[in-house]
Amino acid sequence: GNSVTQMEGPVTLSEEAFLTINCTYTATGYPSLFWYVQYPGEGLQLLLKATKADDKGSNKGFEATYRKETTSFHLEKGSVQVSDSAVYFCANFGNEKLTFGTGTRLTIIP
Amino acid sequence: EAQVTQNPRYLITVTGKKLTVTCSQNMNHEYMSWYRQDPGLGLRQIYYSMNVEVTDKGDVPEGYKVSRKEKRNFPLILESPSPNQTSLYFCASSLLGQARAAQYFGPGTRLLVL
Repeated sequence: GNSVTQMEGPVTLSEEAFLTINCTYTATGYPSLFWYVQYPGEGLQLLLKATKADDKGSNKGFEATYRKETTSFHLEKGSVQVSDSAVYFCANFGNEKLTFGTGTRLTIIP
Repeated sequence: EAQVTQNPRYLITVTGKKLTVTCSQNMNHEYMSWYRQDPGLGLRQIYYSMNVEVTDKGDVPEGYKVSRKEKRNFPLILESPSPNQTSLYFCASSLLGQARAAQYFGPGTRLLVL
């Protein structure tokens, strides 16, 4: 079946630092890949997506590239802000099912 | 405003006392789903529904029931709650097909079973 493995947290960075949160997946076929974000006290929101190999999803300064050869979809941001503090979930959609990773808690300190 | 609403947001109950968590969406979505979120385990799907009167088990359905009598509502029922059902619950909805991957989530219901 499908699975997602993402970097364990928590991750703490200073404001304006570079962010990478690693995500790898296993799936049969060619799944679509997603990053969801959960701000404190809220439900998950779709942050970005990529539907085929070499696609780059981007939103709010975050980017992730669908790498079929390494089965990865790492989330990056060049300069994080305090408002980016949240829990980030990698997910894949394949075989009619959305499968989430365990989440990575990110805290940005001023 | 497009949204998924859940009630209640917080609930403390005792073992064995039946409860229902309501979920409603105003986007005319066919697909609705319930997840529970536990530390270190991420989100796990409890039940889902592809349309009215069509429901199916997810990965962790034991101890839960659902119904889908109307398109907009998808209540989660715990007939006899137990402490291991203490968790954060999310309802989500989406269109069908590939669009199912882009799910809209409610704000969550935090449940404590004593």
